[in-house]
Amino acid sequence: QSALTQSASRSGSPGQSITLFCTGTRSDISSYNFVSWYQHHPGKAPKLIIYDVTKRPSGVSLRFSGSKSGDTASLTISGLQAEDEADYYCSSYTSTSTNWVFGGGTHLTVL
Amino acid sequence: EVQLVESGGGLVHPGGSLRLSCTASGFIFSDHYMDWVRQAPGKGLEWVGRIKNKLNSYITEYAASVRGRFTISRDDSKNSLFLQMNSLKTEDTAVYYCTRGSGWGPGDYWGQGTLVTISS
Repeated sequence: QSALTQSASRSGSPGQSITLFCTGTRSDISSYNFVSWYQHHPGKAPKLIIYDVTKRPSGVSLRFSGSKSGDTASLTISGLQAEDEADYYCSSYTSTSTNWVFGGGTHLTVL
Repeated sequence: EVQLVESGGGLVHPGGSLRLSCTASGFIFSDHYMDWVRQAPGKGLEWVGRIKNKLNSYITEYAASVRGRFTISRDDSKNSLFLQMNSLKTEDTAVYYCTRGSGWGPGDYWGQGTLVTISS
């Protein structure tokens, strides 16, 4: 069982916006602004798309945005495209002995 | 272009050992923290551990699940990262990723991973 909670799957239509959620605890998301999101196409290297809750690395589409409220972080993808179909993982720093925790991942299907 | 290439995965019996390597290119390896992250079959990602840079005394940090069994090391002269895994358990079966870590998270660049299978 992953430390952070994500929905197992979500789906959306091309052009739509969708928000993925990642719920933690006061030991991680609530207490630290070190939330990151990764996009993973199976068989490829995971790709960082958001860090420090809201920041986008250079080269990442403006369609990806992040936010946080309390113990829940969010990743919004606007203007869904077929290439966005992938697994999305959240991560946070944690005050537990493990330092960094991930969610179980959300599989996004673009219908 | 940043590249991270893992190697050394394979099939090992429970209780055995294995050493993974990661060769980095495209950035100043010695400046950066380096992490290992794994993904068990059908499961999510799990942070394994980190080794900091020389400026931070090569301090290592580990997830509770591997502490005492796994050791991370690096050779800055060869742009290489290593993961020595001892006393392996079936639950260590996973794809192991090498990542370029940082103070804000477990990695901005990732390799494609190497599969480790622990089975009798």
